[in-house]
Amino acid sequence: KQEVTQIPAALSVPEGENLVLNCSFTDSAIYNLQWFRQDPGKGLTSLLLIQSSQREQTSGRLNASLDKSSGRSTLYIAASQPGDSATYLCAVRPTSGTYKYIFGTGTRLKVLA
Amino acid sequence: DAGITQSPRHKVTETGTPVTLRCHQTENHRYMYWYRQDPGHGLRLIHYSYGVKDTDKGEVSDGYSVSRSKTEDFLLTLESATSSQTSVYFCATHQSDGLTNYGYTFGSGTRLTVV
Repeated sequence: KQEVTQIPAALSVPEGENLVLNCSFTDSAIYNLQWFRQDPGKGLTSLLLIQSSQREQTSGRLNASLDKSSGRSTLYIAASQPGDSATYLCAVRPTSGTYKYIFGTGTRLKVLA
Repeated sequence: DAGITQSPRHKVTETGTPVTLRCHQTENHRYMYWYRQDPGHGLRLIHYSYGVKDTDKGEVSDGYSVSRSKTEDFLLTLESATSSQTSVYFCATHQSDGLTNYGYTFGSGTRLTVV
């Protein structure tokens, strides 16, 4: 059974720092992996989607990498800002079964001004 | 996301009453999902649909039913609401053309309180 883990559960950093969020999954048989951002009381906003054949995706200050064989993905945030404060979730879509994503429980990020 | 609308946004209901939440999409996506989000549990799949009138259970389906009579609408019904169903409910959609999977798009959520 696929399990997705995000460590740490919470993180506080000073503004301007570059940071890395981690996502681990137990089964490498995935179609893709998606990173989301969730602000308090809001829905999930898709940040980056990495297909299984890709190694990384970039959008602005965000870069996500995927190492399928080791079951890991990282989300790199450059020059963090207070506006980056949110919960970040990763989700994988397994190749087995139907069209369902498996979610991690998220990393709650606080960027201090 | 402007393409997915959940209604109502907030609801308070009494134990034992039926409740229906609505998800409406304008994306013409084939797949639709209902999740609940609770502290300490993350997002858990309740039911999903892979086409009109085609639905299946997720990991926490007890006490819930769904219907999808047309592509754009996916309804979640709590048959007899209980306090354990107090949660935030999210609808998501997803499209795949068989070659590429385009990932999930989420609605803004419905906050349900059962008293």
